Amino acid sequence: NAGVMQNPRHLVRRRGQEARLRCSPMKGHSHVYWYRQLPEEGLKFMVYLQKENIIDESGMPKERFSAEFPKEGPSILRIQQVVRGDSAAYFCASSPSQTDPTRQYFGPGTRLTVT
Amino acid sequence: DQQVKQNSPSLSVQEGRISILNCDYTNSMFDYFLWYKKYPAEGPTFLISISSIKDKNEDGRFTVFLNKSAKHLSLHIVPSQPGDSAVYFCAAKLVGEGAQKLVFGQGTRLTINP
Repeated sequence: NAGVMQNPRHLVRRRGQEARLRCSPMKGHSHVYWYRQLPEEGLKFMVYLQKENIIDESGMPKERFSAEFPKEGPSILRIQQVVRGDSAAYFCASSPSQTDPTRQYFGPGTRLTVT
Repeated sequence: DQQVKQNSPSLSVQEGRISILNCDYTNSMFDYFLWYKKYPAEGPTFLISISSIKDKNEDGRFTVFLNKSAKHLSLHIVPSQPGDSAVYFCAAKLVGEGAQKLVFGQGTRLTINP
């Protein structure tokens, strides 16, 4: 059973461009979470999705950020008009259940650099 | 507002000795605590957890202690091995919340010296 896949692993964007980060959950997992890790900080929750539904986006910045988890295909985190402060590592995690926190499995992350 | 704090950015321990990583929290509504281990260029992997109704949980070389009155938890690794060198994050879950919204500390980089 393959783990959580994220691509690209590294992404460089110029200020003002769009960044698209993809996350393929583990087989059988219908819950996806996105976290952001700024330099020298811990992971911060951004959004929680189930198939075709955003369940909790309380950690998402109000502008420029959006997320989706379509019926088919990976979950996408989209950042429009990137700024230098968006440079961070973005991790997604998947789980088969929303009630057991020990079963969140993390992907390797996408490191976004905005120049 | 940093609700979960790991005040030691780094820790260096001799191989074979005990490693103790500490974590403090401020929100008394946390009901579940987890420790994650992270190697460079990889995502965090779950290590061990503890419910707020317990004060100790042990799994092999890893033991987590919870002191609710002090709002403090610690991870003990004994004996420490070179493969334990990694960044360790503690995380907490709020009572009533689902598995989402884990609140993470800043991490402690553990280095095990041969």
